[in-house]
Amino acid sequence: GAGVSQTPSNKVTEKGKYVELRCDPISGHTALYWYRQSLGQGPEFLIYFQGTGAADDSGLPNDRFFAVRPEGSVSTLKIQRTERGDSAMYLCASSPRGTSFSGANVLTFGAGSRLTVL
Amino acid sequence: AQRVTQPEKLLSVFKGAPVELKCNYSYSGSPELFWYVQYSRQRLQLLLRHISRESIKGFTADLNKGETSFHLKKPFAQEEDSAMYYCALRDAYGQNFVFGPGTRLSVLP
Repeated sequence: GAGVSQTPSNKVTEKGKYVELRCDPISGHTALYWYRQSLGQGPEFLIYFQGTGAADDSGLPNDRFFAVRPEGSVSTLKIQRTERGDSAMYLCASSPRGTSFSGANVLTFGAGSRLTVL
Repeated sequence: AQRVTQPEKLLSVFKGAPVELKCNYSYSGSPELFWYVQYSRQRLQLLLRHISRESIKGFTADLNKGETSFHLKKPFAQEEDSAMYYCALRDAYGQNFVFGPGTRLSVLP
């Protein structure tokens, strides 16, 4: 696609429910990142994919959070047993490649998925 | 661990005045530094990166390894520069991008 697409743009759910957030990166971008942004704060790293594999998931806050990218393109961030503290903007970004320190690797962000847990 | 700090949450300047948004980082290796900007109702987007040594929309930023800083500067601010600005660091070995908390720039008429 022309840009990074994230769906849904807004999700309101109840505490304890399961949520999936989808990211469709720029075609051909092998690196995909998930960030979480709370009000008044900068993006907080969650997980990074290089191709189909999670190269770094050190930012996932706990085992309720999981992400997949089975075919190396679309990624889904999954949150189980949602809590009110999970309410935030979830940002996805993609990059042409993530393994070379070439200076050419910049992030292109999607518009985000705003999650509200009541 | 990598860390990016931006000491000012809000910076207000008058149109035509110089502006400097501060960014400091902590990292033991050779980082790659970026400035990202988010205009109202728009996506977060790249403004500039230190390795390109370029001026974008009149903004420049110089990496000072001695002071571990990457301050963003513009000699004459414009109203359309009003936005959230985030400094970010990418290390040479991991692929993680670490963002600062952001500074809201408000350029007053």
